Amino acid sequence: DTGVSQDPRHKITKRGQNVTFRCDPISEHNRLYWYRQTLGQGPEFLTYFQNEAQLEKSRLLSDRFSAERPKGSFSTLEIQRTEQGDSAMYLCASSLGGTSGSFDEQYFGPGTRLTVT
Amino acid sequence: AQSVTQLDSHVSVSEGTPVLLRCNYSSSYSPSLFWYVQHPNKGLQLLLKYTSAATLVKGINGFEAEFKKSETSFHLTKPSAHMSDAAEYFCVVSDVTGTASKLTFGTGTRLQVTL
Repeated sequence: DTGVSQDPRHKITKRGQNVTFRCDPISEHNRLYWYRQTLGQGPEFLTYFQNEAQLEKSRLLSDRFSAERPKGSFSTLEIQRTEQGDSAMYLCASSLGGTSGSFDEQYFGPGTRLTVT
Repeated sequence: AQSVTQLDSHVSVSEGTPVLLRCNYSSSYSPSLFWYVQHPNKGLQLLLKYTSAATLVKGINGFEAEFKKSETSFHLTKPSAHMSDAAEYFCVVSDVTGTASKLTFGTGTRLQVTL
């Protein structure tokens, strides 16, 4: 399977703990996106990478959240001192970036469901 | 800021009958609009996209959507529902700023298909 993969698929953690999620994009894709989806809502944009550079962050991404894409391939999303409000599905998407300002189709992974107790 | 509003949170149809999922958008300029489908335990999948070409857009699995600027709508239709169409459907607008294609999702419409 050459699609976007995410690990783990499910994570249960206690409030205050740190968690880290991994996303492996489609191999030739240079853009990588993170979204968060809470119950009954559509996904919300969190952050975006072009190769290893993090180019945009949403205001939803508080100081407790950090994302990296060190070699321009896989990405990690870390949440420090988790809170119950962090419980959500975290989605990763990748795309093959085109010219500036043009749409490029994003391919989504299955997501990591985080439950904070 | 761009946004989309999905007018129905839940739609139920009988197998073989038409499907209509409604979406209205708000945009200060000509938007790029999409419909994504999310099946349980699967990733979001692009059904179709409108990027200022033909206003009637055909997608996968027999779905279509028509961009109507005068009504600011982008409704999703299918002539005949199949049981496998049961899923969550999201209307999406793309905010193309700089080099990013940041997607803004609606709240979703859950499609139920009954026998």
